[in-house]
Amino acid sequence: DAGVIQSPRHEVTEMGQEVTLRCKPISGHDYLFWYRQTMMRGLELLIYFNNNVPIDDSGMPEDRFSAKMPNASFSTLKIQPSEPRDSAVYFCASSPPRGEKLFFGSGTQLSVL
Amino acid sequence: AQTVTQSQPEMSVQEAETVTLSCTYDTSESNYYLFWYKQPPSRQMILVIRQEAYKQQNATENRFSVNFQKAAKSFSLKISDSQLGDTAMYFCAFYLSGTYKYIFGTGTRLKVLA
Repeated sequence: DAGVIQSPRHEVTEMGQEVTLRCKPISGHDYLFWYRQTMMRGLELLIYFNNNVPIDDSGMPEDRFSAKMPNASFSTLKIQPSEPRDSAVYFCASSPPRGEKLFFGSGTQLSVL
Repeated sequence: AQTVTQSQPEMSVQEAETVTLSCTYDTSESNYYLFWYKQPPSRQMILVIRQEAYKQQNATENRFSVNFQKAAKSFSLKISDSQLGDTAMYFCAFYLSGTYKYIFGTGTRLKVLA
């Protein structure tokens, strides 16, 4: 298995632009998570899906953030409009049905100028 | 609410020596899992070791082992025969079964010295 695949690996954009991060979970994993990592706040859970359905989005910081999972093999996290304080590493992770092991992608380093 | 505390922001160890990273957690639940994740400079979060709370036996993965003290709510990671490639941030994490939420500590930066 190729593991959790994220793209792009790096994204540099200007304030106000739309940013879309992509994730392909491990095949057979029912759960997909989006995390954000910053020096100040550590790893924060933004949202997670079960069988493509968003279950808990209480960690999404603002309405500028949205996430979708149109099918079992693809998810996006969108920021519109982006702001400098959104600069962080964004991780996608997936887990098998019982959720007792979490596998991370390699993350997207987002820089908003 | 569950919490995870890593009280050692940074540590260093000589190559081939043994080092222990500390983690404490707080929960009133009984059905949970504990993890150590490694994050090298490449940024990838790598699962190092996993412990089920209901198991008394400490988990071991090659040079990595844990000391799980359930009553004390302590979960330390021991790295034996440290290698330069062990240089990384190490995160302790707690998972309460059925919640699908992992709680991560703030991490310990480990540097292995040649």
